[in-house]
Amino acid sequence: KAGVTQTPRYLIKTRGQQVTLSCSPISGHRSVSWYQQTPGQGLQFLFEYFSETQRNKGNFPGRFSGRQFSNSRSEMNVSTLELGDSALYLCASSLAWTGVTDTQYFGPGTRLTVL
Amino acid sequence: KNEVEQSPQNLTAQEGEFITINCSYSVGISALHWLQQHPGGGIVSLFMLSSGKKKHGRLIATINIQEKHSSLHITASHPRDSAVYICAVPMNRDDKIIFGKGTRLHILP
Repeated sequence: KAGVTQTPRYLIKTRGQQVTLSCSPISGHRSVSWYQQTPGQGLQFLFEYFSETQRNKGNFPGRFSGRQFSNSRSEMNVSTLELGDSALYLCASSLAWTGVTDTQYFGPGTRLTVL
Repeated sequence: KNEVEQSPQNLTAQEGEFITINCSYSVGISALHWLQQHPGGGIVSLFMLSSGKKKHGRLIATINIQEKHSSLHITASHPRDSAVYICAVPMNRDDKIIFGKGTRLHILP
């Protein structure tokens, strides 16, 4: 089975722009979670989707949004980028509808740099 | 105080040594994850456990729900075990997951 894929792997944007990141889960997995990792804050939970519904959301501003499609692929969008949004964005997929209490399979991440 | 505390933050050991990494948490949980992150960013889920002990190869994870503490042990450590180990807990109160700051492990040949 193919693993979790994320595109693009690297991205450079400037302040004020917006960005869309994509995540394709393992075939058959309907839960997708998104995480932000920075050197200062470590890993932080962004949101979790199951069957096209946002199941949970972390403590991030409304500039961070996401969605999930009927094929379980997910996208996250960050609008009006700030320097502090520079981070590694990871997605993970799992079988169970409560993804955080199931084994999660991580993608390689998208490294976003905001200049 | 952080809701999830890991210790030590950094650990350097010789090949072959027995390694222990600890994770303490203050929230109510039903399960705990141990993750491994290699340089370059890729994360692998090592264990998810809700009670007792799990073993996979040279890795052993234990959890004591009453004491709110988990340990990850590595027996016969090897340089390829060098990585950052992160514990993560889904909280019962809101089902969100929070992460420890990680333990950076370096095994010398």
